Amino acid sequence: QKEVEQDPGPLSVPEGAIVSLNCTYSNSAFQYFMWYRQYSRKGPELLMYTYSSGNKEDGRFTAQVDKSSKYISLFIRDSQPSDSATYLCALGGNHSWGKLQFGAGTQVVVTP
Amino acid sequence: DTGVSQDPRHKITKRGQNVTFRCDPISEHNRLYWYRQTLGQGPEFLTYFQNEAQLEKSRLLSDRFSAERPKGSFSTLEIQRTEQGDSAMYLCASSLVLAGSGELFFGEGSRLTVL
Repeated sequence: QKEVEQDPGPLSVPEGAIVSLNCTYSNSAFQYFMWYRQYSRKGPELLMYTYSSGNKEDGRFTAQVDKSSKYISLFIRDSQPSDSATYLCALGGNHSWGKLQFGAGTQVVVTP
Repeated sequence: DTGVSQDPRHKITKRGQNVTFRCDPISEHNRLYWYRQTLGQGPEFLTYFQNEAQLEKSRLLSDRFSAERPKGSFSTLEIQRTEQGDSAMYLCASSLVLAGSGELFFGEGSRLTVL
């Protein structure tokens, strides 16, 4: 069993819809959580970073963390075709900051 | 542009050859990381530096791989005697870690194809 599970998709939604992405994890040592967006053949781009349970909002993006359930989510409101990309969750522990455990990524396709 | 810079962006080599990748981190970032990403998978941690010191290496980093960060600025990742299984995207990231935390920013990656 992988430490971080993420549905690979593809997830296809119409423009304007809410995109819902999630990851589950098994190791309670993970203490901080990041979401990255990756376009084809490009490097990952940091979208959201959170350290605690609860919600964090930034523009059209909302990240949720539930440490008790070991479940994290990313919501994208008012999705645009330019949001079509692979979304990666990344988790880290307090030891060795930056040594991240990534999910496999979910491919999102937003159709006009 | 002041982001993480990687060079070359794409390298094609024959099995058995040596290759070297270079990463220039964001200026003043004290930590530099190397990750490897294969098709359809998330990046996997390889190693990281705090300034010029290499603090941790993954078991994925076999003895054919060596990374350096002289003077705590740019870093190089060398792969000796390349194998077809080394074909992947090699990603560099940097962060300014203060009080134990800091966001990670990735470069565009160096894609390696071993024939």
